[in-house]
Amino acid sequence: QQQVKQSPQSLIVQKGGISIINCAYENTAFDYFPWYQQFPGKGPALLIAIRPDVSEKKEGRFTISFNKSAKQFSLHIMDSQPGDSATYFCAARPFRNQGGKLIFGQGTELSVKP
Amino acid sequence: DGGITQSPKYLFRKEGQNVTLSCEQNLNHDAMYWYRQDPGQGLRLIYYSQIVNDFQKGDIAEGYSVSREKKESFPLTVTSAQKNPTAFYLCASSIGPTGRIGYTFGSGTRLTVV
Repeated sequence: QQQVKQSPQSLIVQKGGISIINCAYENTAFDYFPWYQQFPGKGPALLIAIRPDVSEKKEGRFTISFNKSAKQFSLHIMDSQPGDSATYFCAARPFRNQGGKLIFGQGTELSVKP
Repeated sequence: DGGITQSPKYLFRKEGQNVTLSCEQNLNHDAMYWYRQDPGQGLRLIYYSQIVNDFQKGDIAEGYSVSREKKESFPLTVTSAQKNPTAFYLCASSIGPTGRIGYTFGSGTRLTVV
């Protein structure tokens, strides 16, 4: 079964610091890697996404780094703010689409302390 | 505004009872999905549908059923065969199997067995 493994499970960062969340996948049959942000009691919202032919994508304070050979990708949140406190999920889409379904990581609960 | 509406927000189920969770979207998306969220386990796919009158099982379909009679609607029934139904249920949609702009999620239904 295709899997995406996410770490750490929880993360505490001081305001202004850098938050780093890592994901690894176990086969090469993925073609799209999105990250989602979820606030308590809400559904996840798409934050940023990358394709495997790109090594890095930046949108504001959020950056995805992608290492195809290592089968790893990570989310960096620069200048972390208390409003960034949420649960973050990485995901991967199977290459042959399989209905467009996404395989999600286990989630990281980020807390940014003021 | 376009989006996905899930109802109810909270639902309580008695032992041996079937309950149905509603999911409606006005985004004109072709594909719809149901995920179950449990603490520390990420989002697990229950069922998905690419077009009207067609749907496929996800990774944890046992004890659940769905229908897709209209493009806008994808209700999920949690049957009495689902032995551990207490969880947060999320419905999502995407523009199609390619899902290039990712999923749009609803705000979820929290189901509790009483």
